[in-house]
Amino acid sequence: QSVLTQSPSASGTPGQRVTISCSGSTSNIGSNIVNWYQQLPGMAPKLLIHSNNQRPSGVPDRFSASKSGTSASLAISGLQSEDEADYYCAAWDDSLNGVVFGGGTKLTVL
Amino acid sequence: EVQLLESGGGLVQPGGSLRLSCAASGFTFSSYAMSWVRQAPGKGLEWVSSVSGSGDSTYYADSVKGRFTISRDSSKNTLYLQMNSLRAEDTAVYYCAKQIGGSSFFDYWGQGTLVTVSS
Repeated sequence: QSVLTQSPSASGTPGQRVTISCSGSTSNIGSNIVNWYQQLPGMAPKLLIHSNNQRPSGVPDRFSASKSGTSASLAISGLQSEDEADYYCAAWDDSLNGVVFGGGTKLTVL
Repeated sequence: EVQLLESGGGLVQPGGSLRLSCAASGFTFSSYAMSWVRQAPGKGLEWVSSVSGSGDSTYYADSVKGRFTISRDSSKNTLYLQMNSLRAEDTAVYYCAKQIGGSSFFDYWGQGTLVTVSS
């Protein structure tokens, strides 16, 4: 059972907007930045969003994220087939003194 | 260009030991914290351990505390993970990652090395 809670799956058709949620607590999301990672099939994870809502260079502006209280969300607009991947949220946890990940959300583009 | 190249994975019997290495290049190695993150087959990401840029501070997940030791050699730009008393549940792909500050911000990841614990 992961410390951060994500829905196991999400789906959408090309061009749609989908949202992936990540729920935590005051010791992690509530007091630290949230980062999001994309893992394409068979590949290593890649940083997608850092510091709650910042896109690294090279990440399309179709990807956006936000944080409120002890929850965070990732939004993907103009869904494309190449967005089909696993998405993970992560935060430092002050109680555990370590990094915690969500269980991951598998995004399917129908 | 930042590059992280893991090595040292393989098949080991339960109770055995293994040392993973991660050769880093393209950045000032001693200026950044580094971490190991693993992924069991078909499962999600699990943080394993982190070490500060100086090597003075280390952090471990409860699942590996007392069995794994993280270290770094700045003269060789290499990160290590010494794994002892290995269990079947340690079977996973182990990734090294460059870390920004003491957070969950991993801006670069290696390609991973597979560790299989089985008799």
